[in-house]
Amino acid sequence: SQQGEEDPQALSIQEGENATMNCSYKTSINNLQWYRQNSGRGLVHLILIRSNEREKHSGRLRVTLDTSKKSSSLLITASRAADTASYFCATASRGGSEKLVFGKGTKLTVNP
Amino acid sequence: DGGITQSPKYLFRKEGQNVTLSCEQNLNHDAMYWYRQDPGQGLRLIYYSQIVNDFQKGDIAEGYSVSREKKESFPLTVTSAQKNPTAFYLCASSIGGQTMNTEAFFGQGTRLTVV
Repeated sequence: SQQGEEDPQALSIQEGENATMNCSYKTSINNLQWYRQNSGRGLVHLILIRSNEREKHSGRLRVTLDTSKKSSSLLITASRAADTASYFCATASRGGSEKLVFGKGTKLTVNP
Repeated sequence: DGGITQSPKYLFRKEGQNVTLSCEQNLNHDAMYWYRQDPGQGLRLIYYSQIVNDFQKGDIAEGYSVSREKKESFPLTVTSAQKNPTAFYLCASSIGGQTMNTEAFFGQGTRLTVV
């Protein structure tokens, strides 16, 4: 079963624009994480937001979490061609499970 | 040079064969994970291990087996019972399980193809 569902499935923007990706999930969580994957490579961790946090920043990344709506968003500001990748949200459910469950991802293309 | 290493990068398997994918980490992490990635389906959890000599099934464990005899190593065997094994396999590790709010570190993946 996949806990997180990203939206949109694909996003194409011009360099310099902002990119927003959304993630919805179903159960109560300990944390929600965002990862990036370049084509054919492993995933790289971007940011972790805990269930008691509402917003976190890291460089050009801004993540929000709304536990009442069971949703999160990842904003990449001033995008660059090098940001072209797939972005995944992953959730760690509350209740003792040690699993990290991933969504299907958003494929972002930043055109120069 | 710390990290998580998967080998081989590409693997070809004949029908009916078992193959083993290697995953080694020198990060001193307790938790390790195996995921399968198919186009358009994201990552699906096969097995995970929170500590040496212990592991749990994920969502798609059928046709796979693992062992965790050493902290550093978490090999995945794709058995002949796995009917559609062609996929990209990713191994990950983290300091602890997810109740500890820890990020996962991924290897570069093994692409398995059945020929």
